[in-house]
Amino acid sequence: EAQVTQNPRYLITVTGKKLTVTCSQNMNHEYMSWYRQDPGLGLRQIYYSMNVEVTDKGDVPEGYKVSRKEKRNFPLILESPSPNQTSLYFCASIPRYRANYGYTFGSGTRLTVV
Amino acid sequence: KQEVTQIPAALSVPEGENLVLNCSFTDSAIYNLQWFRQDPGKGLTSLLLIQSSQREQTSGRLNASLDKSSGRSTLYIAASQPGDSATYLCAVSSSGSARQLTFGSGTQLTVLP
Repeated sequence: EAQVTQNPRYLITVTGKKLTVTCSQNMNHEYMSWYRQDPGLGLRQIYYSMNVEVTDKGDVPEGYKVSRKEKRNFPLILESPSPNQTSLYFCASIPRYRANYGYTFGSGTRLTVV
Repeated sequence: KQEVTQIPAALSVPEGENLVLNCSFTDSAIYNLQWFRQDPGKGLTSLLLIQSSQREQTSGRLNASLDKSSGRSTLYIAASQPGDSATYLCAVSSSGSARQLTFGSGTQLTVLP
């Protein structure tokens, strides 16, 4: 089944403790992206990657890092999480040059930083 | 910078009614437009995608239209059911290599039995 898989689904952590949220897609998509969703602010892009070893900042990159060493994986790294990073996170992927193909989203990771 | 607006923010209708959700965007240079459904605390389910060269797409009871020149899209839901209750999100994919997706704030739909 074609899908984007995020892990973990739920995570509670303490301020300053480094964490990684994994994202993997099995559709050979070039483009991957991370979003966070907050009440009243909607979905905002954190980082995106147009292909292996090519990443760029989205609208809200502060406090996050990403890497794209393989085409299928795009982990989101919070090196020193803070309470304002408590949010619902989504990973998404899409083939870069196919206009008739929409985004596929993962099921989300609900992160709580205390 | 692309901005996407959805009206209304919330809508409550009786079961069986036909309804229209609206989406507007400021920059007409789009790659495509996608409608999503989101249940509370859950992920995004893609409903329909309209390419920039298309006028509408249909899937079952859903019909989405696109008027790129006026920066508008509508999602028409026929014969609404309580199971349609969810938040509906409109998202625009920009032209160019970045393919950034810009979301509207959503319309929260409640279909009353």
